[in-house]
Amino acid sequence: DIQMTQSPSSLSASIGDRVTITCRASQSIVNYLNWYQQKPGKVPRLLIYAASSLQSGVPSRFRGSGSGTDFTLTISSLQPEDFATYYCQQSYSMFITFGQGTRLEIK
Amino acid sequence: QVQLVESGGGVAQPGRSLRLSCAASGFTFSNYAMHWVRQAPGKGLEWVAVISYDGDNKYYADSVKGRFTISRDNSKNTLYLQMNSLRPEDTSVYYCARDGCSIGSCHDYWGQGTLVTVSS
Repeated sequence: DIQMTQSPSSLSASIGDRVTITCRASQSIVNYLNWYQQKPGKVPRLLIYAASSLQSGVPSRFRGSGSGTDFTLTISSLQPEDFATYYCQQSYSMFITFGQGTRLEIK
Repeated sequence: QVQLVESGGGVAQPGRSLRLSCAASGFTFSNYAMHWVRQAPGKGLEWVAVISYDGDNKYYADSVKGRFTISRDNSKNTLYLQMNSLRPEDTSVYYCARDGCSIGSCHDYWGQGTLVTVSS
C-alpha cells in the first residue's frame, strides 16, 4: 500500500495567518492527491482534487500544489471556520489511503 | 440535490454480521463508482472499499478483505456493505461516498454516517 504522511500532526495558528500543511507519499502518485476538511462531529468535505483543482464552492484561499511524492495545502488567510482537521488522500492506487490528519487549532 | 443516507448500523457481537445500506438520490446513481470510508472514534479516516459504477469491479482495504463485501443495486439506487466476522477494531462510523472526480478518485459527496459498534 502507498503510505501517506502528513506534517505537522497538529498546528496552532491565528486568524489571518498563512498556513501550510504537507503530505508526502511513499512512492510517486503523480497528481492523484486530494485534500479534505473535517470539523468535529461533521462529515468530511472535499477541498482540493488532483493536487491543485479547487472543488466547487470552496473558497479561493485554499490552494493545493505538488506532484510526485510531495504535496502542500495552503490556506492564505485563516478564517474562524477553517479550524478543523485536514486529511490528504491518494487515489493513484485502487487501494486508496489517507494521511493521518493535521489538526489546525486556534492560537 | 445529492443525498446519501446510510442505515443498518448498530451494536454487534464479535464474529457476528451486519449489513449497511446507503440510499442515493439527486443524481444518476448508476453512473458513479461508490465507496465506503470509516472512522473509528477519535481517529482518522480509513478507506474501506470501492465498487465500480456497474458493480463489475470491487476493491477492498487489507483490513477488511475476505470479511466485507461491497455491492450495489442500481435499480434501487442503493449501495451495500455486508460485514461478516466482525471484530472490535471494526467499531467506527461508516460513511458511503460518491466518487465524483474526473481525475483519479475522490469523494465529492458523503452520507451522514452510521455507527457500528462491535462489542460483547
